[in-house]
Amino acid sequence: KAGVTQTPRYLIKTRGQQVTLSCSPISGHRSVSWYQQTPGQGLQFLFEYFSETQRNKGNFPGRFSGRQFSNSRSEMNVSTLELGDSALYLCASSSFGLLSGSTDTQYFGPGTRLTVL
Amino acid sequence: GESVGLHLPTLSVQEGDNSIINCAYSNSASDYFIWYKQESGKGPQFIIDIRSNMDKRQGQRVTVLLNKTVKHLSLQIAATQPGDSAVYFCAENLEYGNKLVFGAGTILRVKS
Repeated sequence: KAGVTQTPRYLIKTRGQQVTLSCSPISGHRSVSWYQQTPGQGLQFLFEYFSETQRNKGNFPGRFSGRQFSNSRSEMNVSTLELGDSALYLCASSSFGLLSGSTDTQYFGPGTRLTVL
Repeated sequence: GESVGLHLPTLSVQEGDNSIINCAYSNSASDYFIWYKQESGKGPQFIIDIRSNMDKRQGQRVTVLLNKTVKHLSLQIAATQPGDSAVYFCAENLEYGNKLVFGAGTILRVKS
């Protein structure tokens, strides 16, 4: 089974621009989560999508948004880029937790390295 | 201003020795915990997980121990190999669905 794929792998943008990152989950996985990784803050949760709906959200400003398509592929968008948005953006997929309150293992992609100049 | 980078603890072990990496988690209501390994330039790789109704779980060369009383998680790696050198993260799931909160990470260096 193919793993989680993310495109592009590297991206350079300038302040004020916007960017869209893409994630294709493992086949059969319906949940996609996004994380930001920086040397200063570590790994931080952005949001999770399941069946095209945002199910969980982290503490990031509204400039960060996402969506999920009917084939479970997901995109995240960052508008009005700031220098501090430079980071590795990671996508993780998992199957749906069948029991209320349970969760399943998240498998990560290689990430998109975003540099904001 | 410039943010201060996380100062990750480092564990240096000799090849063949056992490694123990520790982690304190934050929420006593968390019901699911995972250990990930991250090598340079790659995404986190799943190692092993454990649910809160268990105290111990074993995998291939790895064991995770969960102590809910003191909110502590540990990862034991048997017969550590050079390929185990990486940053190790523990993570807890706080809410229904998938919302992981990660620890800062521990650097494991294996000396040959």
